[in-house]
Amino acid sequence: DAKTTQPNSMESNEEEPVHLPCNHSTISGTDYIHWYRQLPSQGPEYVIHGLTSNVNNRMASLAIAEDRKSSTLILHRATLRDAAVYYCILRGPFNDYKLSFGAGTTVTVRA
Amino acid sequence: ETGVTQSPTHLIKTRGQQVTLRCSSQSGHNTVSWYQQALGQGPQFIFQYYREEENGRGNFPPRFSGLQFPNYSSELNVNALELDDSALYLCASSLSGGHEQFFGPGTRLTVL
Repeated sequence: DAKTTQPNSMESNEEEPVHLPCNHSTISGTDYIHWYRQLPSQGPEYVIHGLTSNVNNRMASLAIAEDRKSSTLILHRATLRDAAVYYCILRGPFNDYKLSFGAGTTVTVRA
Repeated sequence: ETGVTQSPTHLIKTRGQQVTLRCSSQSGHNTVSWYQQALGQGPQFIFQYYREEENGRGNFPPRFSGLQFPNYSSELNVNALELDDSALYLCASSLSGGHEQFFGPGTRLTVL
């Protein structure tokens, strides 16, 4: 499995943007970049995914480097509810069955 | 639309016993995956079932087994429980070929 590297923790103030980096230098051409988050005492929750182009949805934006060796998850205006562990995961083509979670980045949001 | 549900919420067993955990998939989803999450770590993939057949397995011993039923609900069975099996067990449902997996809240298993 191609590996990802994330910082252990990040802090943000409420209503400010949060930029979560992820390095994946061994990514293959068919790997999708997925982000999940896990709020305290809950199961993981899908956030966003992308292949080559930047992606936006109602939760976040995903910026992918041109060489695809790194990406950044952007939370545009952090709320207290965004405090969670964020996981950056590489996933093979659509029929690759598993998600390989690392340790993730613990995001703390200050009021 | 009903999300993924798991039962029981919490469970305490003793070493050597057997346990069965249950998962109801989100409506319309034909694939279910099980994960084990030890305290302070990310979830680890156990196995996945698609149309009642095992479709892939992680690095877990054979005493971890599963079933998927025609209504796509699923069971995780663990035999000969060990202390290290204490963890949060998560199931996730998805559509085959879909990118998004929908996770349940998990079952917290404690082995004494």
